[in-house]
Amino acid sequence: DVKVTQSSRYLVKRTGEKVFLECVQDMDHENMFWYRQDPGLGLRLIYFSYDVKMKEKGDIPEGYSVSREKKERFSLILESASTNQTSMYLCASSLSAGHYEQYFGPGTRLTVT
Amino acid sequence: KNEVEQSPQNLTAQEGEFITINCSYSVGISALHWLQQHPGGGIVSLFMLSSGKKKHGRLIATINIQEKHSSLHITASHPRDSAVYICAVTADKLIFGTGTRLQVFP
Repeated sequence: DVKVTQSSRYLVKRTGEKVFLECVQDMDHENMFWYRQDPGLGLRLIYFSYDVKMKEKGDIPEGYSVSREKKERFSLILESASTNQTSMYLCASSLSAGHYEQYFGPGTRLTVT
Repeated sequence: KNEVEQSPQNLTAQEGEFITINCSYSVGISALHWLQQHPGGGIVSLFMLSSGKKKHGRLIATINIQEKHSSLHITASHPRDSAVYICAVTADKLIFGTGTRLQVFP
């Protein structure tokens, strides 16, 4: 079974802090994704990566950056957290490049106060 | 207007009832997905389909490509089916609907 893990289930940070969200997958998948999920808006793609050291902006990249130094690990960075970044963050990975079946992590609920 | 629309947004049912959740989309797709999200956040894939019908246990998913519509059916619903069900389509990216929150009461 594919396993996607995220470093924290719940996180509380203060406005202005730098926040790191870590995601690790154990199935040697090429593609990894970061989404945020907000009520009434569904999942929105922040960034994705097709390969090590490679990243592509999704629909809402502003205020975020990512890092993929190793194939199994994809990090989401909030450079200076703001209250409007309070959300559920979900990481996913997939084998194929065509946005087909994705395997999701358990999510990190981030609250910025 | 969202490219993927689900209905209803919220659904309550009594245990044993037959449930239908609908998904309509307005873009060209190569696949449609039904996902399940339980309280606490984790999302699991239920079905990926590009034509016809798929069945897994009490769950059935159908798609009509011409009408750009898919349905997810749950037969003999059970309280453990309570979750958010999300429709997503593979276009140039994965596009998600906003989800249908289902609550099944004993």
